Amino acid sequence: DAGVIQSPRHEVTEMGQEVTLRCKPISGHNSLFWYRQTMMRGLELLIYFNNNVPIDDSGMPEDRFSAKMPNASFSTLKIQPSEPRDSAVYFCASRSTGRTEAFFGQGTRLTVV
Amino acid sequence: AQRVTQPEKLLSVFKGAPVELKCNYSYSGSPELFWYVQYSRQRLQLLLRHISRESIKGFTADLNKGETSFHLKKPFAQEEDSAMYYCALTEGGSNYKLTFGKGTLLTVNP
Repeated sequence: DAGVIQSPRHEVTEMGQEVTLRCKPISGHNSLFWYRQTMMRGLELLIYFNNNVPIDDSGMPEDRFSAKMPNASFSTLKIQPSEPRDSAVYFCASRSTGRTEAFFGQGTRLTVV
Repeated sequence: AQRVTQPEKLLSVFKGAPVELKCNYSYSGSPELFWYVQYSRQRLQLLLRHISRESIKGFTADLNKGETSFHLKKPFAQEEDSAMYYCALTEGGSNYKLTFGKGTLLTVNP
């Protein structure tokens, strides 16, 4: 297995534009997490899914952020419209029920100018 | 609500010195605690978990329920230990939430 795959690895966009980050979890894993990493706040949990259902989205900062998981092998995190303060590294992680270790993707570094 | 606190943002030690990265948590039930590590330009990876009671790369961590702590220790730091370390907590069982502290950047100087 190639592990958790995120795309793109880097994204530079202008303020006001829509940004979509993508994640492919490890096959067979049924929990998926989206995190945002910044120097100031560390690793913040934005939202997590279990069996494709959003369980807790209380970490999503604003209505500009939305996440979907249409099937077990794909999830997206969308920011519309993007703002400079959204600049961060966004990580996706997955794990399987019964095992509590989470496996992380390599992250998407987002820069909003 | 579960919370993980890592009081030190930065920690700098010399090679061969002991190192301790602090982690405190708040959760009323029986949590599962982890340490994750992120080396430069690499993805986060699990270092160790409290239920395993194992030593990985010379690191150990003991869960102290009385003090609600899970400090990470190594008796003799190496330069290759320089990385970002995150303490994490999950409630386990059927609750899937995995919460991280803000992280501690460890620098081991030659």
